[in-house]
Amino acid sequence: DQQVKQNSPSLSVQEGRISILNCDYTNSMFDYFLWYKKYPAEGPTFLISISSIKDKNEDGRFTVFLNKSAKHLSLHIVPSQPGDSAVYFCAASARLGSNTGKLIFGQGTTLQVKP
Amino acid sequence: ETGVTQTPRHLVMGMTNKKSLKCEQHLGHNAMYWYKQSAKKPLELMFVYSLEERVENNSVPSRFSPECPNSSHLFLHLHTLQPEDSALYLCASSQEPRGNQPQHFGDGTRLSIL
Repeated sequence: DQQVKQNSPSLSVQEGRISILNCDYTNSMFDYFLWYKKYPAEGPTFLISISSIKDKNEDGRFTVFLNKSAKHLSLHIVPSQPGDSAVYFCAASARLGSNTGKLIFGQGTTLQVKP
Repeated sequence: ETGVTQTPRHLVMGMTNKKSLKCEQHLGHNAMYWYKQSAKKPLELMFVYSLEERVENNSVPSRFSPECPNSSHLFLHLHTLQPEDSALYLCASSQEPRGNQPQHFGDGTRLSIL
């Protein structure tokens, strides 16, 4: 049973437009969420995170939105650039009661930004 | 100097071989992790170490044996593997083994079992 789901395997966007990547989760104990980006032949790179006490976190062109009632989060990239083309993973953890830093990952969404 | 270094990058081995994967982190972190990524599956946590002590073993078969001699080095010893163990093995580290801290990943070892 997958607790973190990225239902869109791929997304294609024109350069300069907005990219929106979505992620759903089922475990109501999750209270910290992260987005990672992965290029081929490289490990995942941390992008941005959000705690459940917030509903939005922004870092430059990247904004993460959290809708706790819907158990949904999204990553917005504005404006999208060709260098953003990669696989994006969302991940979640339940900090309270956890001493292992266990992250649960989604399957990933491949973003292609066309020039 | 990259933060988390994994060697080798690629490994092909037979089912009766014994090999080891190595991970080294240069970030001064106290927690290290092994993950497995199989084709079309999410990353799966295998092991967590905090200050050289194993704090999580995520129901991993005994043919995978981790070792953490110090907080900067992590090994994954492999023996009698099965074809379904072919996957990308990723090492990560974080300041502490807490879920509210980003984990920094190495580039992985691509393992193929013949």
